[in-house]
Amino acid sequence: QSALTQPPSASGSPGQSVTISCTGTSSDVGRYNYVSWFQQHPGKAPKLMIYEVSGRPSGVPDRFSGSKSGNTASLTVSGLQAEDEADYYCSSYAASNNFVFGTGTKVTVL
Amino acid sequence: EVQLVESGGGLVQPGGSLRVSCAASGFTFSTRWMSWVRQAPGKGLEWLANIKPDGSEKYYVDSVKGRFTISRDNAKNSLYLQLNSLRAEDTAVYFCARDMNWGWDFWGQGTLVTVSS
Repeated sequence: QSALTQPPSASGSPGQSVTISCTGTSSDVGRYNYVSWFQQHPGKAPKLMIYEVSGRPSGVPDRFSGSKSGNTASLTVSGLQAEDEADYYCSSYAASNNFVFGTGTKVTVL
Repeated sequence: EVQLVESGGGLVQPGGSLRVSCAASGFTFSTRWMSWVRQAPGKGLEWLANIKPDGSEKYYVDSVKGRFTISRDNAKNSLYLQLNSLRAEDTAVYFCARDMNWGWDFWGQGTLVTVSS
């Protein structure tokens, strides 16, 4: 199972929006609405930000939103804040009880 | 408050074995699927295995099948990962995580396993 493809980096100024893509195949992202997004600060555990493509757990700001089209899922962070600077990973269910993560995107707040 | 605390990491020689543990609290452990995920230094996340609440079903990523074994003790609210035939490329931080809606909603802080001679 190959990793989902994410851009290595993305950036934006405070208050702007940034969108991160997550490209898989018709066997994972394209087939299931089981895409999650995680935020990870250096040396910390990942934190769930989005589940099932666009669901937002309690406590996650509504500045974070998710979507999917075909084999590509996206995470949009609106109104960028300094604390949003982190690594972001997508994941997808991939059949036969297997899961695959994305390659990760480093978001920089300029 | 949900808490997951990993332990048992350390330095092990190639070909050696190690068991890492995860102590769970703040939720009904015996009703939840649980997973292990690892992250090599400076690299991305890799899902390794998960286990059904009663332990009757276990699933693994191909790269660790036959070498790693996931297990749990619901009486002790604990999750385990037995790592055998370790290789240098198994060096990573090992996280336990609670499964939720085909993702993971809570993660431990991880335990570092270093495979080196």
